[in-house]
Formats: sequence, C-alpha cells, structure tokens
Amino acid sequence: AQSVTQLGSHVSVSEGALVLLRCNYSSSVPPYLFWYVQYPNQGLQLLLKYTTGATLVKGINGFEAEFKKSETSFHLTKPSAHMSDAAEYFCAVSDNSNTGKLIFGQGTTLQVKP
Amino acid sequence: SAVISQKPSRDICQRGTSLTIQCQVDSQVTMMFWYRQQPGQSLTLIATANQGSEATYESGFVIDKFPISRPNLTFSTLTVSNMSPEDSSIYLCSVGGLGWETQYFGPGTRLLVL
Repeated sequence: AQSVTQLGSHVSVSEGALVLLRCNYSSSVPPYLFWYVQYPNQGLQLLLKYTTGATLVKGINGFEAEFKKSETSFHLTKPSAHMSDAAEYFCAVSDNSNTGKLIFGQGTTLQVKP
Repeated sequence: SAVISQKPSRDICQRGTSLTIQCQVDSQVTMMFWYRQQPGQSLTLIATANQGSEATYESGFVIDKFPISRPNLTFSTLTVSNMSPEDSSIYLCSVGGLGWETQYFGPGTRLLVL
C-alpha cells in the first residue's frame, strides 16, 4: 500500500526566505509524485510532478522538488517566499497503474510573514 | 490539461435532505474521480466514476450514501444522500487515468449541512 507523510502541518516563513515543505512517501512500485496547491476557497492546482527521468523537477511559481529514491522523499522548495505563496500544499503519490488513484498527504499550511 | 466545472459551487442544506453535485469536463476523459475534503483535512477518494458501469467505491464509502452517475465521458454526478452535519465538506471531482499522468481537479463544491 502507498502512503504519504508531510512533516509539519504548519510552516511559517518570512517573505524572501527559503520555503521547504517536506514529503516522504511509501510505495512498493516506482511512484508518480505530485505537489498540489490549494488557495483559500479554491480547488487544487498542480504545482509540479515527477514521473520518470530527471529527478529535479521545476514547477510553476518558482517551485521545484527533487525526487530522492534512497530517502523516499519529494521535498518542495522555493528560494524566496512571496506573500502570494500563502496556501495549503498537498503532496500526493500515484502507483502509476491504470487505476489513476492518488493518495494525499495531510497537507501543510504555508504562512508567509511580511 | 482539462477545464473542469462543478455545480453548485457551494450550498447550505438541511439534514436529511440530498444534494446532487455535477462535474463537467471540456474533453472526453477515461477516468473521473470524486474526493471529499473535510474541514481542515486532506483529500480522501470516495470513488472512481466509471462510464457505463457502476462506480468503484473506496473503503468506508457506499453507494447508498454517495450514488454516482457517469452517463458519458465528459460528465458525472455525485449525490450526497440523507445528509448530516458530518457531511459538511468540500467535494471535488478530478479527471485523469490511463494515458494521463496527472489528475486535474475541479474547483470544488462547498457543502454545509445544518
């Protein structure tokens, strides 16, 4: 069975500081990994994804994540936080089968202080 | 990608009543999914909506409570039956599956049951 753990339900950073949101996964097969963002009162928007190939993936809004198989991690980073980055972030894993199912982590609320 | 719309965007309902949520996609898709996001929680998959056959429900969700229809490849409905305050959640549909590495989410339906 697959699972996702996001370390830290709340992360607070100052504007301009590094953003690091942690995600660890468990999967018995090569996973597909995703980060989604949810702004207040909105649906989920895909930030980035890893399926195969390059382990460092770049997404929208300056975010990137690195797939580290040895650490079973897929941490999300952004060099410099902006006030508009304040949102809920979800890491998710798929077993890349034709079921298409996603397993989500518990989410991390990012607060950006001026 | 896909453009997904949901109706209604939000509703306030009385306990004991039922609400049907619609999900419309702008292109034909193999798989459609329904998720529930309870207040302050992550997303939980309710079921996979299968075109032309009965939906596939996840553990803890049953057809009598959450009947789903999928009459064609661009449309699905989820009904929340005999509602109680515990059903107050955001309900999201998503599309993806075989040939689609990524799931795309609708804007969600925010349901409050009094």
